[in-house]
Amino acid sequence: GAVVSQHPSWVICKSGTSVKIECRSLDFQATTMFWYRQFPKQSLMLMATSNEGSKATYEQGVEKDKFLINHASLTLSTLTVTSAHPEDSSFYICSAIGRHTGELFFGEGSRLTVL
Amino acid sequence: EDKVVQSPLSLVVHEGDTVTLNCSYEVTNFRSLLWYKQEKKAPTFLFMLTSSGIEKKSGRLSSILDKKELSSILNITATQTGDSAIYLCAAGGTSYGKLTFGQGTILTVHP
Repeated sequence: GAVVSQHPSWVICKSGTSVKIECRSLDFQATTMFWYRQFPKQSLMLMATSNEGSKATYEQGVEKDKFLINHASLTLSTLTVTSAHPEDSSFYICSAIGRHTGELFFGEGSRLTVL
Repeated sequence: EDKVVQSPLSLVVHEGDTVTLNCSYEVTNFRSLLWYKQEKKAPTFLFMLTSSGIEKKSGRLSSILDKKELSSILNITATQTGDSAIYLCAAGGTSYGKLTFGQGTILTVHP
């Protein structure tokens, strides 16, 4: 079946560095992708909606200059956490809507730890 | 602001028990309610409900939506240890795929 792949699945970085997380639809085209953040023992919080070829739409309270989202192709969206701080440590999950089927698929998630 | 609330937040049962998880929602232009099971990684899809009163069933799991009460329940019968997970309820409006998630119910099934 359709798969959404995230890379890396886990990453540890130093405070102040930037980290890029990729969300890739492997066998379908995705016009829209969503980025969520999940803190330990909490639910998923939508960060932004990413549309291919246009700027992402951020949810209230999410800093767009800190969480840079790029959706350059129909199969790839990236989330870059800039100047990461320990409070950015979280589980980041993407989801994608299939262009032709309209189905929604989740990626496996990326766990970020900022030291 | 859209809101989804789940209860209970956690539940501990023994194998063979039946559990009912609750979800209530307040979503502008509501279109669908979804249930997911989350173990160590990303959520896995269980059900999508759009019509009131129609039960969806998959093995020991079933779910139903009540649009009048703005709520849904997820039932799991004859629970097994493998059912231990976080169960997430999410509601979507007109912007398909943009979901508001509840806090989740942590289910623990003891042998």
